[in-house]
Amino acid sequence: AQSVSQHNHHVILSEAASLELGCNYSYGGTVNLFWYVQYPGQHLQLLLKYFSGDPLVKGIKGFEAEFIKSKFSFNLRKPSVQWSDTAEYFCAVKSRAGNMLTFGGGTRLMVKP
Amino acid sequence: EPEVTQTPSHQVTQMGQEVILRCVPISNHLYFYWYRQILGQKVEFLVSFYNNEISEKSEIFDDQFSVERPDGSNFTLKIRSTKLEDSAMYFCATSRDQGTYEQYFGPGTRLTVT
Repeated sequence: AQSVSQHNHHVILSEAASLELGCNYSYGGTVNLFWYVQYPGQHLQLLLKYFSGDPLVKGIKGFEAEFIKSKFSFNLRKPSVQWSDTAEYFCAVKSRAGNMLTFGGGTRLMVKP
Repeated sequence: EPEVTQTPSHQVTQMGQEVILRCVPISNHLYFYWYRQILGQKVEFLVSFYNNEISEKSEIFDDQFSVERPDGSNFTLKIRSTKLEDSAMYFCATSRDQGTYEQYFGPGTRLTVT
C-alpha cells in the first residue's frame, strides 16, 4: 500500500522568505507525484505534477518541486513567498497504473505580511 | 476555466438516514472519483468510476456506499444508512482519462451526521 508523509504540519513565514515543504512517499512501483493547494474557502487546485523526465518540475505561481527517487521525496519549494501563498498544501502520489490518489496530511502555511 | 461543481455545499442529516451527494463533472472528462476528509485527518480515496462501472475502490467504500451517473451528467455518491463517523467533507474529482491526466477537484460537500 502506498503512503505519503508531510513532515511539517504548520509553517509560519514572513513575506520574501524561502519555502521548502517536505514530502516522502512509500510505494514500490512507478509513481506520479502531485502537489495540490487549498486556499482558504476554495477547493483543491493542482500546483504541479511529476510524471516522468526532468525531476525538477515547475508549477504555477513560482512553485517548483524536485523528485529524488533514491530518497522517495518530492519536496515543494518557492524562493520568495507572498502573503497570498497562505494556504494548505497537500502532497499526493498515484501509482502509474491506478487511479487512486494517496494524500499526505497537509501543511498549513501562514505567510505574515 | 471549466470547474467541477458539487451540491449541496453542506448537508445535515440524522443517523440512519440516506444521503445523496451530487457532482457535475467537467464535460469532456471520463473518470470520476470520490474522496473524503474527516476533520483533522487526511484526504482519503473512496472510489473511481469509469464507463458506468466502479474501476477501483478502497476499504472504506463498503456496502453502505454506492455511486452512479443516473442521467449522464450528474455523478452521485449515496450513503444508505449514515453513521456518526460518516461526518466528513466529501470531494468529487474528475479527470479526462487515467494515467497521466490530473484530477480536478470540486469544492466539497460538508456532511454532518447527528
